[in-house]
Amino acid sequence: HSALTQPASVSGSPGQSITISCTGTRSDVGGYNFVSWFQQHPGKAPKLIIYDVSNRPSGVSDRFSGSKSGNTASLSISGLQAEDEADYYCTSYTSSATVVFGGGTKLTVL
Amino acid sequence: QVRLVQSESQMRKPGASVKVSCKASGYIFGNNGITWVRQAPGQGLEWMGWTSPYIADTKYAQKFQDRVTMTIDTSTRTTYLELKNLTSDDTAIYYCARAWTISSFDPWGQGTLVTVSS
Repeated sequence: HSALTQPASVSGSPGQSITISCTGTRSDVGGYNFVSWFQQHPGKAPKLIIYDVSNRPSGVSDRFSGSKSGNTASLSISGLQAEDEADYYCTSYTSSATVVFGGGTKLTVL
Repeated sequence: QVRLVQSESQMRKPGASVKVSCKASGYIFGNNGITWVRQAPGQGLEWMGWTSPYIADTKYAQKFQDRVTMTIDTSTRTTYLELKNLTSDDTAIYYCARAWTISSFDPWGQGTLVTVSS
């Protein structure tokens, strides 16, 4: 399974909303509701922010939301804050019983 | 709280092997698998595989199938990643993480830098 496709970068101003896409195939994103999203700040370990397409772990801000349509999953962040500036990665379970990551998206808060 | 603590950074020569450990605490160890993910300098995250203490199952990414071994010592709540026949392309930070669901991992260990250089 090839890496899931994410935009290399997105940007937005404080208070705005942005969406990051994660495109796969019927053998991964489109075939299972096992898509997760991770946030990674420079020099830090990744942090889970969305699991099983649209669920938020306890303690994660409700400004983060996830969805899926067909072979594409999306992460939306509303009310952008400076602290949201980070790299974001999606994952999906695959038909090979493995997991594949997206290439990552760098979010810049202008 | 749930915590994963990894072994210290290591340096190896090309062709050698490396073994990284990941000790879990703060939860019922048998309830979750452990996933290993690596990140080369300036690059993205790469899933390496998963091992479970409760169903004695292991799954590796095809890319690493012939040179990776993941093992678990339930008595010490420690999971191990061994990677053989190292090349400079294996220079990366190696993370372990609790497999919360099948594709979601939380929390993560602090990471172990493995440097492969002659």
